[in-house]
Amino acid sequence: AQKITQTQPGMFVQEKEAVTLDCTYDTSDPSYGLFWYKQPSSGEMIFLIYQGSYDQQNATEGRYSLNFQKARKSANLVISASQLGDSAMYFCAMREGYFTGTASKLTFGTGTRLQVTL
Amino acid sequence: GAVVSQHPSRVICKSGTSVKIECRSLDFQATTMFWYRQFPKQSLMLMATSNEGSKATYEQGVEKDKFLINHASLTLSTLTVTSAHPEDSSFYICSAPRQPNTEAFFGQGTRLTVV
Repeated sequence: AQKITQTQPGMFVQEKEAVTLDCTYDTSDPSYGLFWYKQPSSGEMIFLIYQGSYDQQNATEGRYSLNFQKARKSANLVISASQLGDSAMYFCAMREGYFTGTASKLTFGTGTRLQVTL
Repeated sequence: GAVVSQHPSRVICKSGTSVKIECRSLDFQATTMFWYRQFPKQSLMLMATSNEGSKATYEQGVEKDKFLINHASLTLSTLTVTSAHPEDSSFYICSAPRQPNTEAFFGQGTRLTVV
């Protein structure tokens, strides 16, 4: 089974509007972290936002917010006031398990290509 | 600025040759680094976990003899694609977490083309 599912291969949004990118996840581990990354055409992976499974509040970082619904296992990214520079691929990723002193790998979804239009 | 640096950003090589890609953590020590591969319009797939001072851990289906990983210091991991073939053409990208339980920083990626 897919651990991270992004059902929207592509999305369009008008400049200055808000857009929600969907992400659902599957894990039996009670301790996990959810990430969103932006990948422009240059290929670099830009970290946007992080949500821990035990975090009580939804994460926010500037124009980015994460709509975390634990019971539904969803972690949707909301981008407010879209800008032309937001056009890129967006990946949701999960890290399972808390770790003490060692790092853990990320599992990525298939991504959503966002196109911001005038 | 970048905290993980990856070089080269692009490389074209002939079939049968080997290519080395470097991943450096710039202002922190990384005992663990990760190497991912990304085919066009696809997601990132973890290839291997690079461990400083010990052998790398490879994901299922990744040929360890073809993709040699060396993590010789706390700031440098290298991926060598040996005897490269056109099907090895891909985007390779490394990452390292600065601390546990934080986001992983990614290098700029390397676009490998084997002709």
